Amino acid sequence: GENVEQHPSTLSVQEGDSAVIKCTYSDSASNYFPWYKQELGKRPQLIIDIRSNVGEKKDQRIAVTLNKTAKHFSLHITETQPEDSAVYFCAASIGNQGGKLIFGQGTELSVKP
Amino acid sequence: GAVVSQHPSWVICKSGTSVKIECRSLDFQATTMFWYRQFPKQSLMLMATSNEGSKATYEQGVEKDKFLINHASLTLSTLTVTSAHPEDSSFYICSAYRTGYYEQYFGPGTRLTVT
Repeated sequence: GENVEQHPSTLSVQEGDSAVIKCTYSDSASNYFPWYKQELGKRPQLIIDIRSNVGEKKDQRIAVTLNKTAKHFSLHITETQPEDSAVYFCAASIGNQGGKLIFGQGTELSVKP
Repeated sequence: GAVVSQHPSWVICKSGTSVKIECRSLDFQATTMFWYRQFPKQSLMLMATSNEGSKATYEQGVEKDKFLINHASLTLSTLTVTSAHPEDSSFYICSAYRTGYYEQYFGPGTRLTVT
């Protein structure tokens, strides 16, 4: 079945450093790749997304890259701040299934002041 | 815009009882609502896909007779956990989706504790 693998499971960086989280997906028909930030006990919050017709997208300190050939996409956070500490999830749409997403396992990011 | 609410935000119930969770899209009509379950320190696991006016589609391994889903209108879907047991204790999250768009809008989640 469809699968999304996410690495690393935990990531600790110093404030101001960059953080990179990587995901791979299995469904070649996936065309939408959102990234979510989830704080403890809260709903997932969309931070950035990318569609399959785009290779890279940036929003201030956050960027996402997509390599369709390799079925690989990554989240890049620059100039990290303590408030970036949270769990981050990648997801990929499942082809032709009306918005259905499959999620990666999550990455717990800790930004140390 | 695109606000999704869930009620209740938390609930404690006794083993063997049933609990109903409501998911509402407040400012748009959702063609599809998704129900997820999330255990501590784990990812969101899709339980079922709910389309207005039709039967829900359940993911493999999810008992449809235990987790009853009703999607009565384009703004309301309900999840009923029947004969709840302690192992059903979890964080249940719904999301709403409109055909033709990409983004899912998540509700705030419901923390269920079964004693």
